[in-house]
Amino acid sequence: AQSVTQPDIHITVSEGASLELRCNYSYGATPYLFWYVQSPGQGLQLLLKYFSGDTLVQGIKGFEAEFKRSQSSFNLRKPSVHWSDAAEYFCAVGAGDTGRRALTFGSGTRLQVQP
Amino acid sequence: EAGVTQFPSHSVIEKGQTVTLRCDPISGHDNLYWYRRVMGKEIKFLLHFVKESKQDESGMPNNRFLAERTGGTYSTLKVQPAELEDSGVYFCASSLRQGSTNEKLFFGSGTQLSVL
Repeated sequence: AQSVTQPDIHITVSEGASLELRCNYSYGATPYLFWYVQSPGQGLQLLLKYFSGDTLVQGIKGFEAEFKRSQSSFNLRKPSVHWSDAAEYFCAVGAGDTGRRALTFGSGTRLQVQP
Repeated sequence: EAGVTQFPSHSVIEKGQTVTLRCDPISGHDNLYWYRRVMGKEIKFLLHFVKESKQDESGMPNNRFLAERTGGTYSTLKVQPAELEDSGVYFCASSLRQGSTNEKLFFGSGTQLSVL
C-alpha cells in the first residue's frame, strides 16, 4: 500500500527566506506525486505535479519540487517566501499506473511566515 | 465559473443523530470524490463517482456512511448514526473525465463536522 510522510507538522520562516517542505513516499512502482496548498477557508489547490520526465517540476506561485527516486522524496521548495504563502501544504501520491484515481495524502505541514 | 461547492460549511450534531453533507461539483465534471481529514491527520480517500456510478468506494469506513450521486450531478454523503470518531473535515473534489495524467482535481472548501 502506498503512504506519504510529511515529517514537519509546523514550520515557521521569515518573509523573504527560502523554504523547503519535506515529503517522503512509499510506493512500489513509479508514483504520481502532487503538492497541494490549503489557505484558510479555501479548498485544496494544486501547486504542482510529477508524472514522468524531468525530475524538477515547476509549479504555480513560484514553487518547485524535485523527485528523487533514490530517496523516495518529493520535497517542495521556494527561494523567497511571501506572507501570503502562510497556509497548510499537503503532499500526495497517486497510483496512476493502476488506473485507480484515489490519492494518498500526507498529514500536512502548516507554514507560518514571520514579517 | 463556479467552483466546487459544499454545504454546510459547518455542522455540529450529537452522537446518534444523522447528518447529510452535500457537494455540488463543477458543471460537466464526471468525476466526483469524497475525502475526509480526521483530527488534523492525513486526508483520506472515501470514494469516487464517475457520473452516477460508484467507481471506487474502498475508503468508506463502515456502513454508517452512505454516498449518492443522483443523476450524476450533485452528491450527498449521509452519516447515520453519527459517532464521535466521525468528526473531521469532509472534502469533495471533482474533475473532468480525462486520463489520469491529465486529471486536475478541484476541491471544495470542506464541511467541518463536529459530533458531540
